[in-house]
Amino acid sequence: AQSVAQPEDQVNVAEGNPLTVKCTYSVSGNPYLFWYVQYPNRGLQFLLKYITGDNLVKGSYGFEAEFNKSQTSFHLKKPSALVSDSALYFCAVTYTGGFKTIFGAGTRLFVKA
Amino acid sequence: DAGVIQSPRHEVTEMGQEVTLRCKPISGHNSLFWYRQTMMRGLELLIYFNNNVPIDDSGMPEDRFSAKMPNASFSTLKIQPSEPRDSAVYFCASSPDSREFNEQFFGPGTRLTVL
Repeated sequence: AQSVAQPEDQVNVAEGNPLTVKCTYSVSGNPYLFWYVQYPNRGLQFLLKYITGDNLVKGSYGFEAEFNKSQTSFHLKKPSALVSDSALYFCAVTYTGGFKTIFGAGTRLFVKA
Repeated sequence: DAGVIQSPRHEVTEMGQEVTLRCKPISGHNSLFWYRQTMMRGLELLIYFNNNVPIDDSGMPEDRFSAKMPNASFSTLKIQPSEPRDSAVYFCASSPDSREFNEQFFGPGTRLTVL
């Protein structure tokens, strides 16, 4: 079965410190991986995606993610967290031949000043 | 670009009433998705349209739910009759086409409360 796991419900980090939000996936076929962010009372907003090529993908607001095929992971990272990064983050996956986007349960990020 | 537009933003209704949610996708986008978000179940795909045709409605909870896309610029999600357990935030999203590697663009959502 196709699935996405975000093992942490919540991640706490101090402003200025690096942050990592974890994501692992399981799909048949080649995966296409996405990160979205949701601020309070807003819709999901696309951050970045991996389709093919370089395993390190850079996206909006200084975020980046690394695709690791052997570990089936796509962790979201940022070198220096901002208080304004506090939000709900969703990892998502599609795959070759599939049309449904499978979303993880979401990880709430708190950045403390 | 106005993005995906949804209306109303908030809807409060009583059990048994009909509810209609509306969505205008981004111009030129051929794929449209309806999602429901709750604390308990997270984000659930309800139905997916491509070129105005419903491709997969397996996520529609019951016959009380129906969705239409009469043209490329408008879609509705209707609940009739509504029940308290339908209370959730409903999102519409659009995508340029049906290719798997396209990201989706979400609207601001409609917060539905059924009393």
